[in-house]
Amino acid sequence: DTGVSQDPRHKITKRGQNVTFRCDPISEHNRLYWYRQTLGQGPEFLTYFQNEAQLEKSRLLSDRFSAERPKGSFSTLEIQRTEQGDSAMYLCASSLEVLNTEAFFGQGTRLTVV
Amino acid sequence: AQSVTQLDSHVSVSEGTPVLLRCNYSSSYSPSLFWYVQHPNKGLQLLLKYTSAATLVKGINGFEAEFKKSETSFHLTKRSAHMSDAAEYFCVVSEANTGFQKLVFGTGTRLLVSP
Repeated sequence: DTGVSQDPRHKITKRGQNVTFRCDPISEHNRLYWYRQTLGQGPEFLTYFQNEAQLEKSRLLSDRFSAERPKGSFSTLEIQRTEQGDSAMYLCASSLEVLNTEAFFGQGTRLTVV
Repeated sequence: AQSVTQLDSHVSVSEGTPVLLRCNYSSSYSPSLFWYVQHPNKGLQLLLKYTSAATLVKGINGFEAEFKKSETSFHLTKRSAHMSDAAEYFCVVSEANTGFQKLVFGTGTRLLVSP
């Protein structure tokens, strides 16, 4: 499968625990994005990488959230001290460095904080 | 800032009848507009995109959309609905000529198709 891959697909955690999600983009894509989708809403932009550089972060990304893309390939999104409000689908997407090119989305990681 | 408004949260049609999903956008700059579809347990899939070329855009699976600047609309249509079209549809805007593809999604329209 050469699409965007996310792991795990589902995560249930207790409030206050830390969680980490992984995204493997399409191999030749140098742009990588994280979005969050809550129930009944459309996805909201969280952050964007071009290669290993994190170039923009949304105000939605509180201090408890951190994202990395150390070698410009896969990316991780960590949430520290999870809260119930963090329960959502976390989506990763990747694209080429071409204006208005399509962003390809993974199937997402569904996080449930209990 | 750019935004999109999807006018219907749910649309119900019968198989074989036309589909119309409505979207209005707001953008300070020349926008790029997209429609994405989300099937249960599947990733978001691009249906079509408008990037300042032809105003009538044809996409996959028989879907098309027309960019109307005067009405700030980008409605999605299909001549004949199929059962497999049942899904969540998102209208999306991105500012043209930005350095990257920051997408702003609408709240979605759930399309229900009955036999």
